[in-house]
Amino acid sequence: DVKVTQSSRYLVKRTGEKVFLECVQDMDHENMFWYRQDPGLGLRLIYFSYDVKMKEKGDIPEGYSVSREKKERFSLILESASTNQTSMYLCASREGQHYEQYFGPGTRLTVT
Amino acid sequence: AQTVTQSQPEMSVQEAETVTLSCTYDTSESDYYLFWYKQPPSRQMILVIRQEAYKQQNATENRFSVNFQKAAKSFSLKISDSQLGDAAMYFCALVLGNYQLIWGAGTKLIIKP
Repeated sequence: DVKVTQSSRYLVKRTGEKVFLECVQDMDHENMFWYRQDPGLGLRLIYFSYDVKMKEKGDIPEGYSVSREKKERFSLILESASTNQTSMYLCASREGQHYEQYFGPGTRLTVT
Repeated sequence: AQTVTQSQPEMSVQEAETVTLSCTYDTSESDYYLFWYKQPPSRQMILVIRQEAYKQQNATENRFSVNFQKAAKSFSLKISDSQLGDAAMYFCALVLGNYQLIWGAGTKLIIKP
């Protein structure tokens, strides 16, 4: 079974802090994704990576950056956390563009 | 613009009955894939069913089936013999050839015992 893990289930940070969210997948998938999920808005893509060191902006990249130094790990970075970044963050991976995505359990981030 | 619309924010159904969740989409692409995902409360998102646009036959997975109407750009999910474990948020997603993924806003499904 594919396993996607995220570093924290719950996280509370202060405004202005630098925040790292980490995601690891164990199936050698090429594609990895970061979404944020807000009620009534569904999933919005922040960034995706189609290979190591390769990244593409999604729909809402502002205020975020990503890093993918190894195939199995995809990190989301909030350079200076703000209260409007309080949300559920979901990581996903997939084998290729026509295949399903496998999701991690999510990180609920609260910025105070 | 590519869009996915789930017009029902919430649906409820009696246990053991059948329910249909609607999804419409808009794209000018001819090659795409459609997915239904399920997110149970406080649990991980998982795939329910997948449909390739080039296939005319509707996908089926046990009690879950889709009604794929390509011309109408409609992709509804039918759940037969609803069970308590089916209670979840259901998301419809459109995947295009250029890594683009577009998600609907979700439908919350409530199962009444």
